[in-house]
Amino acid sequence: DAKTTQPNSMESNEEEPVHLPCNHSTISGTDYIHWYRQLPSQGPEYVIHGLTSNVNNRMASLAIAEDRKSSTLILHRATLRDAAVYYCILRDRIGSNYKLTFGKGTLLTVNP
Amino acid sequence: GAGVSQSPSNKVTEKGKDVELRCDPISGHTALYWYRQSLGQGLEFLIYFQGNSAPDKSGLPSDRFSAERTGGSVSTLTIQRTQQEDSAVYLCASSPRTSGTTDTQYFGPGTRLTVL
Repeated sequence: DAKTTQPNSMESNEEEPVHLPCNHSTISGTDYIHWYRQLPSQGPEYVIHGLTSNVNNRMASLAIAEDRKSSTLILHRATLRDAAVYYCILRDRIGSNYKLTFGKGTLLTVNP
Repeated sequence: GAGVSQSPSNKVTEKGKDVELRCDPISGHTALYWYRQSLGQGLEFLIYFQGNSAPDKSGLPSDRFSAERTGGSVSTLTIQRTQQEDSAVYLCASSPRTSGTTDTQYFGPGTRLTVL
């Protein structure tokens, strides 16, 4: 899978929007962009995924650059429960795509 | 519904002993995965099962590590002659299938293994 680059950490205030960036300059045309997050002392959980168009779900929004070399996970109103490590992962649409390749992710701190 | 469960939640063992870690996937999920997370690190893929078969064992660190899955359900990860570098959180995940790129993996809470 192609490599992603994320900031090591970010900080936000409660009830404010958070924009978590991810660079994936070597993304291929068949790669999906997935986001997972890991709350303290828990296993990772799925957040959202997309291919080319922006995506929204109940947890977050995903904004994908037109050239697909970067994306941004948007939490519209951060809560204390959103404090976690956020992972941006590329998954190939073809071939062996069963394993998730995790980097170190972005540690999000939410201040009350 | 019930999620992925793992047992034990914590395991402390002495160097050289064998340990078994158990994973109960979500009912009906055919794919099962094991990952390892060392302190302050990202997750490292170990092995995945499709049904009872393990097409990819390439992530297992050494021949001291083995895993099996029976009845297309429960999986056991066994570490023989444990070493201190085996200390980590071992995470299990399951998904309905592996053929879909959008297939979500559902993770259990993990087993924290400490080798003294």
